[in-house]
Amino acid sequence: GQNIDQPTEMTATEGAIVQINCTYQTSGFNGLFWYQQHAGEAPTFLSYNVLDGLEEKGRFSSFLSRSKGYSYLLLKELQMKDSASYLCASKDSNYQLIWGAGTKLIIKP
Amino acid sequence: ETGVTQTPRHLVMGMTNKKSLKCEQHLGHNAMYWYKQSAKKPLELMFVYNFKEQTENNSVPSRFSPECPNSSHLFLHLHTLQPEDSALYLCASSHGTGDSGNTIYFGEGSWLTVV
Repeated sequence: GQNIDQPTEMTATEGAIVQINCTYQTSGFNGLFWYQQHAGEAPTFLSYNVLDGLEEKGRFSSFLSRSKGYSYLLLKELQMKDSASYLCASKDSNYQLIWGAGTKLIIKP
Repeated sequence: ETGVTQTPRHLVMGMTNKKSLKCEQHLGHNAMYWYKQSAKKPLELMFVYNFKEQTENNSVPSRFSPECPNSSHLFLHLHTLQPEDSALYLCASSHGTGDSGNTIYFGEGSWLTVV
């Protein structure tokens, strides 16, 4: 079956760095997406990886290892506004997105 | 503002009611989606339309009936729902459906409570 695993909840301190891991098992692979969702709001696109390696975009970076079926989202210089859920999704051979349940990130002062 | 607008934002309905959710996208996309989001569960894809044609129906009960009159508008008609259908219903759109890098953009969702 197809499956995405990510931690349910994480806590970090303002100004620090946090890494949110995601492992995936999908039939075929056409890319790995990360979305951010604040409570009561729409999920918003953060990053897309289809090749191995690190993609950096400001304070946020996303990493992919296709051989390990593994990705992480790295958030630097954490701000209170980064408190949100982070959704990992893998696109399978039919170009369908398979979603994880999301990681709720709590930022403390 | 995400470019995808959903109404109503909140809806409470009885099990015998008929109601509809509406979605409109202003992004010039050709594909539109309905997702169900329940607490602590992955997003569940319900329906996909590409160029107004339904391309996916993921075993959704017939009490949910989608309608896509054009590439910019999508409806979800609801009738005789059950309490377990209470959830956040998200509409989304994208340029197409068959490209690996195709990004989908979500609306803010309609919170549905069935009593």
